[in-house]
Amino acid sequence: EPEVTQTPSHQVTQMGQEVILRCVPISNHLYFYWYRQILGQKVEFLVSFYNNEISEKSEIFDDQFSVERPDGSNFTLKIRSTKLEDSAMYFCASSERAGQNEQFFGPGTRLTVL
Amino acid sequence: GENVEQHPSTLSVQEGDSAVIKCTYSDSASNYFPWYKQELGKGPQLIIDIRSNVGEKKDQRIAVTLNKTAKHFSLHITETQPEDSAVYFCAPRIKAAGNKLTFGGGTRVLVKP
Repeated sequence: EPEVTQTPSHQVTQMGQEVILRCVPISNHLYFYWYRQILGQKVEFLVSFYNNEISEKSEIFDDQFSVERPDGSNFTLKIRSTKLEDSAMYFCASSERAGQNEQFFGPGTRLTVL
Repeated sequence: GENVEQHPSTLSVQEGDSAVIKCTYSDSASNYFPWYKQELGKGPQLIIDIRSNVGEKKDQRIAVTLNKTAKHFSLHITETQPEDSAVYFCAPRIKAAGNKLTFGGGTRVLVKP
């Protein structure tokens, strides 16, 4: 069964450093998403991406964040200068279509900012 | 924005009993109502969803019921088994707000053997 994959599973970084989280969505999916979950809190939407551009973003997704689909398979989330409060699980998701359509989630990357 | 509340936050049941989790939402334009299950160390996995033109949907031991007038939908698990132990999230979607899902706070379900 096709699945969303994410690397690394755990990333530790120093405050102020740049990190890139990587995702490989399901191959025939066209819509891609990043969500995050701070420990013990709810899953929060960050950004959605379609046709090589951001289609929606939340207030969390400020200028420190960017997304890219550098090739036909990868979808990345970059945090330019990490802060302590960026520590969270980051989930990538993809869906075949928009609308009332299942979003498939990856296993997540745990980001720890020291 | 959409305000989503889940109750209860924790639920402990005896194996074989039923579990019910309720999700209330604020935006009447919501039109897609999924439930996700998250096991330890994994991402959320869709277990059942319902569209706004349907009141109830069942899949083996799992069912979802929707009350659009009251703006809530519920997850029902019958004949619970230890492998049902997980955190469950509702995540309604507002049609006009793009494709983003707005997650509830989660319900930790523990099924005691």
